Amino acid sequence: GAVVSQHPSWVICKSGTSVKIECRSLDFQATTMFWYRQFPKQSLMLMATSNEGSKATYEQGVEKDKFLINHASLTLSTLTVTSAHPEDSSFYICSAIEGGLAQETQYFGPGTRLLVL
Amino acid sequence: AQTVTQSQPEMSVQEAETVTLSCTYDTSENNYYLFWYKQPPSRQMILVIRQEAYKQQNATENRFSVNFQKAAKSFSLKISDSQLGDTAMYFCAFMKNNDMRFGAGTRLTVKP
Repeated sequence: GAVVSQHPSWVICKSGTSVKIECRSLDFQATTMFWYRQFPKQSLMLMATSNEGSKATYEQGVEKDKFLINHASLTLSTLTVTSAHPEDSSFYICSAIEGGLAQETQYFGPGTRLLVL
Repeated sequence: AQTVTQSQPEMSVQEAETVTLSCTYDTSENNYYLFWYKQPPSRQMILVIRQEAYKQQNATENRFSVNFQKAAKSFSLKISDSQLGDTAMYFCAFMKNNDMRFGAGTRLTVKP
């Protein structure tokens, strides 16, 4: 149980284009989802927290207009990198909290590698 | 803000031996959660073990156990009978009110 998927697993795009990454909880309802960014050989940095049906809460220094987050249902959250530039190239990971007995435990997706040329 | 410190960037251990990874954290909170996550080369984050701060008993999951010292704000992970598949990055994490903060990670290599 508690499986989280991400799509796509990797994407290459041209500078200036927008990229959408999907995060789905497959076998549970995720009351809260999180988006992280991880640079090579570094730890995970929280970008934003999203709750179903409400606006995401962004961490300091994360551009809201650059990284659009939509949590439209209890099983789906999307991250759209708008007007991507090479410095946006990174590994993006989502996670979700199950709204049941296993609260306070985040289950992570497999991540999405983004390369902006 | 809570901070998590992992002072060992890299460690190695022989197969079948025991290794301990250290983690300390700084918080003024009394109730919170602590985690160890494993990130193998595939980069999938895998939950290893979870500890509720209000529980005095140390969490155990098969070969993995923790030494939770609340007063010292220490949360070390012990891996017994190390296996080659344990080779990975290990991240210690602190969580309060859905806000999770990670340490810098420890790269563990299990040698045959």
